[in-house]
Amino acid sequence: EPEVTQTPSHQVTQMGQEVILRCVPISNHLYFYWYRQILGQKVEFLVSFYNNEISEKSEIFDDQFSVERPDGSNFTLKIRSTKLEDSAMYFCASSAGTSGRRYEQYFGPGTRLTVT
Amino acid sequence: EDKVVQSPLSLVVHEGDTVTLNCSYEVTNFRSLLWYKQEKKAPTFLFMLTSSGIEKKSGRLSSILDKKELFSILNITATQTGDSAIYLCAVDVYGYSNYQLIWGAGTKLIIKP
Repeated sequence: EPEVTQTPSHQVTQMGQEVILRCVPISNHLYFYWYRQILGQKVEFLVSFYNNEISEKSEIFDDQFSVERPDGSNFTLKIRSTKLEDSAMYFCASSAGTSGRRYEQYFGPGTRLTVT
Repeated sequence: EDKVVQSPLSLVVHEGDTVTLNCSYEVTNFRSLLWYKQEKKAPTFLFMLTSSGIEKKSGRLSSILDKKELFSILNITATQTGDSAIYLCAVDVYGYSNYQLIWGAGTKLIIKP
């Protein structure tokens, strides 16, 4: 069964460093998302991406963040100058373009980011 | 402000019991409600509900939506230890982009053998 994959599974970085979180969505999906979940808290929407551009972003997704689809398969989240409060589990998700299935989002296993 | 509230926050039952998890919402321009199961890491999709009164069923899990009273329930019958997880409810609304969900805080379900 096709699945969303994410690398790395865990990344530790120092405050102020840049990190890139990588995701490979399901191959025939057209909508891509990043979410984060701070330990013990709600899942929070960061950004959605369709047709090679950002469709929607939340207040969390400020200038520190950027997303890219550098090729036909990868979808990346870059965090510039990480802060302690960026420590969280980051989930990538994708959904199909067909009507009725757009909202059936499939999540990757997550990348745990720890900023020290 | 749009919000999604789940109850209870946590629930501990014995294997074989039936549980009902609740999700209520106050949103403008409701479009659909989704249930996810989150075990160790990523949420996995369970159900999407758009119409009132139509039960969605998958094995021992079922869910129904009441758009008049603005809530949904997720039922799990004959629970097993593998059902232990956090169950997340999310609502999709018009007015936001097509692609953003409003999430509840989740119900942590623990099934004791």
